[in-house]
Amino acid sequence: DAGITQSPRYKITETGRQVTLMCHQTWSHSYMFWYRQDLGHGLRLIYYSAAADITDKGEVPDGYVVSRSKTENFPLTLESATRSQTSVYFCASRRGAGWNSPLHFGNGTRLTVT
Amino acid sequence: ELKVEQNPLFLSMQEGKNYTIYCNYSTTSDRLYWYRQDPGKSLESLFVLLSNGAVKQEGRLMASLDTKARLSTLHITAAVHDLSATYFCAVDNQSTSGTYKYIFGTGTRLKVLA
Repeated sequence: DAGITQSPRYKITETGRQVTLMCHQTWSHSYMFWYRQDLGHGLRLIYYSAAADITDKGEVPDGYVVSRSKTENFPLTLESATRSQTSVYFCASRRGAGWNSPLHFGNGTRLTVT
Repeated sequence: ELKVEQNPLFLSMQEGKNYTIYCNYSTTSDRLYWYRQDPGKSLESLFVLLSNGAVKQEGRLMASLDTKARLSTLHITAAVHDLSATYFCAVDNQSTSGTYKYIFGTGTRLKVLA
């Protein structure tokens, strides 16, 4: 099915572990984004990508790594998870910025770091 | 750096009443977006506002944009319980690298009481 999918939906990990959240879209959208959602903070941009092999930092990039070797995939890696990274993570995509299009969101990944 | 602020953060209102949510942003942008999020769900696009003076309406919701004041409003007319949700505004803005960041406000959690 066309759309944007995130995996896993739920993840529990321990402090210090590396964890990767996956995001896959089937529209061939050029832009992809990672956000975290925490109560009282709304959605904060972690990293975004304008195209394959082009990534930029967002508002809260520390502790995260991204890559985009293919247009359809945009994985987010927590290199050494901390409790402060417990959050709901949303991936989103859009057509190029010139299209003035809204974001399309995945269903989110709820990550708990113990 | 682009900042997007919403107020109020929480809004409890009676059915049938009118109210307005405000969204202020800190840098020049001609494009503003509104989203809705139901509890435990992902975000859905409501409105795309693309120019100064733009007004969009759907049902009991009407959004407007004043780019000179860097202000958007989401007006709720005769609220009903089904409008209970969290509403986010968002702005995209070109970064120094030429790519477009997409920054969200903190959200307004709306509860409509019967």
